[in-house]
Amino acid sequence: DTGVSQDPRHKITKRGQNVTFRCDPISEHNRLYWYRQTLGQGPEFLTYFQNEAQLEKSRLLSDRFSAERPKGSFSTLEIQRTEQGDSAMYLCASSTGQGHTGELFFGEGSRLTVL
Amino acid sequence: QKEVEQDPGPLSVPEGAIVSLNCTYSNSAFQYFMWYRQYSRKGPELLMYTYSSGNKEDGRFTAQVDKSSKYISLFIRDSQPSDSATYLCAMSLRLNDYKLSFGAGTTVTVRA
Repeated sequence: DTGVSQDPRHKITKRGQNVTFRCDPISEHNRLYWYRQTLGQGPEFLTYFQNEAQLEKSRLLSDRFSAERPKGSFSTLEIQRTEQGDSAMYLCASSTGQGHTGELFFGEGSRLTVL
Repeated sequence: QKEVEQDPGPLSVPEGAIVSLNCTYSNSAFQYFMWYRQYSRKGPELLMYTYSSGNKEDGRFTAQVDKSSKYISLFIRDSQPSDSATYLCAMSLRLNDYKLSFGAGTTVTVRA
């Protein structure tokens, strides 16, 4: 499978714990995005990488959230001291940043449940 | 007020019916308009992409954009049970923009 891969698919944690999600983008894509989707809502932009550089962060990304993309390959999204409001689907997407559609290729998401 | 408004439905139609979906938006600077389809427990996938006002057809799908009214639509003709999914409108300011603004999504069920 050469699509965007996310791990784990589902994480259940207790409030206050730290969690980390991993995203492996499509290999030739230099852009990587993290979005968050809560139940009944559309995805909301969190952050964006061009290769290894994090170029944009949404104000939704509080200081408890940190994202990295070492070497411009896979990316991790860490949430520290989780809160119940962090419960959501965390979607990773990648793209080439070129082409006539600007299509983002999404992974299947990592669902976080904070108890 | 959200930047992009979309009626969440749900919408239930018999097989073969025409499905009509729409979104309104408030930011007149949006230039690029997309429809993503999201099956249950899956990530969204691009279905249609349009730029500027007008119609675009792709098989059973037609996307319409009316920039003057800040209104976009998606029509699905001869709907099939496999079309049952959540349809998300999305829009951006620039081509290949890193930030898409999504609607809440409309859940569609096509009954066999």
